[in-house]
Amino acid sequence: QQQVKQSPQSLIVQKGGISIINCAYENTAFDYFPWYQQFPGKGPALLIAIRPDVSEKKEGRFTISFNKSAKQFSLHIMDSQPGDSATYFCAASRGTDSWGKLQFGAGTQVVVTP
Amino acid sequence: NAGVTQTPKFQVLKTGQSMTLQCAQDMNHNSMYWYRQDPGMGLRLIYYSASEGTTDKGEVPNGYNVSRLNKREFSLRLESAAPSQTSVYFCASSAEALNTEAFFGQGTRLTVV
Repeated sequence: QQQVKQSPQSLIVQKGGISIINCAYENTAFDYFPWYQQFPGKGPALLIAIRPDVSEKKEGRFTISFNKSAKQFSLHIMDSQPGDSATYFCAASRGTDSWGKLQFGAGTQVVVTP
Repeated sequence: NAGVTQTPKFQVLKTGQSMTLQCAQDMNHNSMYWYRQDPGMGLRLIYYSASEGTTDKGEVPNGYNVSRLNKREFSLRLESAAPSQTSVYFCASSAEALNTEAFFGQGTRLTVV
């Protein structure tokens, strides 16, 4: 059973629009929440990450919002571009575990139309 | 800088055959990992090696074995392939064990018929 639930499974957004992907977790011991971006035929690459001591982190057009009490976090892609078309994975891990024990969500395929 | 290199990129096996997936990183990372990726399942950890000389089971280790040959190389072996092992396999590495960026290879697409 996945410890991190991700939605939606896929989404289509017009160029310039906002893409929003949501994730929820159960394990309150999780303290590191990265997002990975994956293009077809490539391995995932770290996009942005957040720790629970902050509620929001922004890097360029990408923003993570974190709600510790609700055990939810989300990725917002502002001014979406065709080059953002990819699969996005949320993940979570505990500080006491090695990075490798990241729990991944199922992924969201984002398509940005011109 | 090649990063994480996996070989082969594609492989078709018959049920019961064995094979080894190779992974090498040139970033002097201590930790290395093997994941499998299946549709609708995200990435699931098979085995990991926190440092040279150590290996540990991840979430889905059954049917696999690993070898941390040296600091650079971490191989994944399927002793008797099954159709359920049809998947895309990713190797990754990271500099430290805790909450640092991990770098993934480009993957091996394995089909077991």
